[in-house]
Amino acid sequence: AQRVTQPEKLLSVFKGAPVELKCNYSYSGSPELFWYVQYSRQRLQLLLRHISRESIKGFTADLNKGETSFHLKKPFAQEEDSAMYYCALSGNTGGFKTIFGAGTRLFVKA
Amino acid sequence: GAGVSQSPSNKVTEKGKDVELRCDPISGHTALYWYRQSLGQGLEFLIYFQGNSAPDKSGLPSDRFSAERTGGSVSTLTIQRTQQEDSAVYLCASSSPPNQNIQYFGAGTRLSVL
Repeated sequence: AQRVTQPEKLLSVFKGAPVELKCNYSYSGSPELFWYVQYSRQRLQLLLRHISRESIKGFTADLNKGETSFHLKKPFAQEEDSAMYYCALSGNTGGFKTIFGAGTRLFVKA
Repeated sequence: GAGVSQSPSNKVTEKGKDVELRCDPISGHTALYWYRQSLGQGLEFLIYFQGNSAPDKSGLPSDRFSAERTGGSVSTLTIQRTQQEDSAVYLCASSSPPNQNIQYFGAGTRLSVL
C-alpha cells in the first residue's frame, strides 16, 4: 500500500543551524516524490520534486530508493523557513492520486 | 483564473445540517482533488476527478460525503448531516498535463460544526 511517513510533527531549530525533515515512503512501483510547504496564512504550494533535482530556497531532497526516503535538507535555516512541510508521493497506478504525509511543522528560532 | 478558487472561505454550521463547498479549478486543468486538513492529521485525500473518468472516491470517510464535478470544471463537495468531527479545512487542488502530478491548491474552506 502507498504510505508516506513523516515521523516528526514538530521540529525546532535555531537560525543558521542545519535542518533535516524526514520522509519515508512505501510504494511498490516507481513513485514521484514531492515536498509541499504552507507558510502562515498562505496556500499550500509545491516546494520541490525529486525529478527536478534542484535546490529551492536553499532546500534539497534526494530520493534514496534503498532506504525509501526523501528527506528535505537545508544547511542553514532561516526564520522565514518556519512553515508546515508535507512530503507527498504520487504514482501512475490508480491515476495520479497523491498521498501526503502528516506534515512537519518547522520552527526556526532567532 | 489566477488560481484555484474555493468558497466560502469560512462556514459555520450546526450539527445535522448539510453543507456545500465549492471549488473552481484553474482554467483548463483536467484533474481536481479534494482533501481534508485537520490539526495533527495532515492532509487526508477525499476524492479525485480526472477528465471524464469515474472519480476515485476511495478517500471519502462516509456516505455522508459526496462530490460532483459539472462540465469538467467546478466541483462541489457536499457533507450531509454534519457532525462535529467534520470540522476541518477542506482543500481543493487542480492539476494538468504535462505536469499532472504537480497540484495547485486553493485557500481552503474552514468548516466549523457546532
